[in-house]
Amino acid sequence: DAKTTQPTSMDCAEGRAANLPCNHSTISGNEYVYWYRQIHSQGPQYIIHGLKNNETNEMASLIITEDRKSSTLILPHATLRDTAVYYCIVRVWGGANNLFFGTGTRLTVIP
Amino acid sequence: EPEVTQTPSHQVTQMGQEVILRCVPISNHLYFYWYRQILGQKVEFLVSFYNNEISEKSEIFDDQFSVERPDGSNFTLKIRSTKLEDSAMYFCASSDRGRDTQYFGPGTRLTVL
Repeated sequence: DAKTTQPTSMDCAEGRAANLPCNHSTISGNEYVYWYRQIHSQGPQYIIHGLKNNETNEMASLIITEDRKSSTLILPHATLRDTAVYYCIVRVWGGANNLFFGTGTRLTVIP
Repeated sequence: EPEVTQTPSHQVTQMGQEVILRCVPISNHLYFYWYRQILGQKVEFLVSFYNNEISEKSEIFDDQFSVERPDGSNFTLKIRSTKLEDSAMYFCASSDRGRDTQYFGPGTRLTVL
């Protein structure tokens, strides 16, 4: 699976949009971009995934660039409960079952 | 909304003892996983399980570890002869299909003294 690069940490004001970037320049055509988050030491929580089109669900939006080399997770109105470590994971649909978690981005939402 | 559950939430054991961590995956899911996270470190894959056998395992998952689906609802991770370095959070996950989205449980914190 392709490697991802994320900033170590970010801050966001409560109520504002949080935009979390992820670089995956070696992504191949059959690899999906997944986002999970981990609040404190809880189990990772699935947020969203996509292949090449932008995706939106009740939690977030995922914007994938046309060349698919990077993506941005958008939390439209960040709350204090969104403070967590966010993981961008690139995963081959027909590949291994396991998820590879990197170090992620620690997002702190500030009151 | 269906969710993965794990018991116990915290397990304390003496070095050399055997522990069994239990998970109840989402009911219609067929693929099951164990991950672990040592304090302050990354979440690491241990093993995946499908159709009553191991699909994949990492190099961490050595002979000390075993998994089992003893009945139609539970999925267990057994650690024989625990070591201090086995202290970690252990997360169970399940998915509908092998390549599909994995949903995680809240974890069991294992402390080996």
